[in-house]
Amino acid sequence: AQSVSQHNHHVILSEAASLELGCNYSYGGTVNLFWYVQYPGQHLQLLLKYFSGDPLVKGIKGFEAEFIKSKFSFNLRKPSVQWSDTAEYFCAVNPRGSQGNLIFGKGTKLSVKP
Amino acid sequence: KAGVTQTPRYLIKTRGQQVTLSCSPISGHRSVSWYQQTPGQGLQFLFEYFSETQRNKGNFPGRFSGRQFSNSRSEMNVSTLELGDSALYLCASSPAGARETQYFGPGTRLLVL
Repeated sequence: AQSVSQHNHHVILSEAASLELGCNYSYGGTVNLFWYVQYPGQHLQLLLKYFSGDPLVKGIKGFEAEFIKSKFSFNLRKPSVQWSDTAEYFCAVNPRGSQGNLIFGKGTKLSVKP
Repeated sequence: KAGVTQTPRYLIKTRGQQVTLSCSPISGHRSVSWYQQTPGQGLQFLFEYFSETQRNKGNFPGRFSGRQFSNSRSEMNVSTLELGDSALYLCASSPAGARETQYFGPGTRLLVL
């Protein structure tokens, strides 16, 4: 079965630290890849997405992610986190040809200490 | 543009009852997907509708059903509620579904007692 793994359940960082959240998926075909964020009390918002082309994609608020096809990975990075980045981050995969179906990872809760 | 709206925002039901949740997509969006979010299972895909037709379905029992109207608004229904159906139900819309970003609503929190 198709699945998405996010390796860290809860990450705690100090402001200005660098962030990398892991995401691996299991699906042999072509996929579209997403990172969503859920700030406290708010609904899911798109951070960035990859459909094709340059495997390094840039999103909002200084986030970026790199698609490594050989490793089935789509890790999220940010060079310097801020307190306002405290949120839950979800990696999601949409197998090509599977309309409207996002397969989500379990999420990583990020806490940034001021 | 207004975002995805879901009603009601909160709901309390008892076992055995049925419930209907509503979702209004972003204007112009024709695809609506539904997800269930629980602490244990995370976010799981229920089904997706496009132009009043169910195009895709997740691995949920037949008690979970949905429909879409000609104005793209969608409803999902859960019959014979079980305690395990307590969850946040999220609706997401996109222009046509494939290779497009889904925009999520705030969700309906359902508590089954």
